[in-house]
Amino acid sequence: QSVLTQPPSVSGAPGQRVTISCTGSSSNIGAGYDVHWYQQLPGTAPKLLIYGNTNRPSGVPDRFSGSKSGTSASLAITGLQAEDEADYYCQSYDSSLSGSTFGGGTKLTVL
Amino acid sequence: EVQLVESGGGLVQPGGSLRLSCAASGFSFSGYWMYWVRQAPGKGLVWVSRISSDGSITNYADSVKGRFTISRDNAKNTLYLQMNSLRAEDTAVYYCARKNGGFDYWGQGTLVTVSS
Repeated sequence: QSVLTQPPSVSGAPGQRVTISCTGSSSNIGAGYDVHWYQQLPGTAPKLLIYGNTNRPSGVPDRFSGSKSGTSASLAITGLQAEDEADYYCQSYDSSLSGSTFGGGTKLTVL
Repeated sequence: EVQLVESGGGLVQPGGSLRLSCAASGFSFSGYWMYWVRQAPGKGLVWVSRISSDGSITNYADSVKGRFTISRDNAKNTLYLQMNSLRAEDTAVYYCARKNGGFDYWGQGTLVTVSS
């Protein structure tokens, strides 16, 4: 059972917008710790997609955006493309664990 | 170019030991906290351990505490994970990652299989 809760799957048609939620608690997201998002394509290492809640590393398209409010965070993907089909994970720090924690992951299917 | 290259994975019997290494290049290794993250087959990412830039602070997930030891050699630009008393549930791909806000660079991973 992950400390951060994500929907197991989301889907959308090409060109549509989808969001992936990440729900935490007062010991992680609600405590003010940053949320980061990762994209993992099949058979590859995760790739940093969003850091510090809302920031995109160089090279990440602006179709990807992050937000945070209270004990939750969200990843939004606009203009869905076939290449976006992947697993997505949120991550934050948890004070009760004295370490990082990941969400369980969300599989995005592009219909 | 930043590179993280893991090695040391393989097949080990329950109760056995392995030492993973992560060779870093292309950046000032001694300036960053480093992490180990694992992923069991078909499952999600799980944080395993972390170590401060100078090695003075270490933390572990409850599932590995007392069995795994993280360390680093800043002179050799290498991160280590000593894994003892291995269990079947430790079977996973183990990634090393650099902490810079988020985990901005990851290795390719090394597979550890615990089975008799």
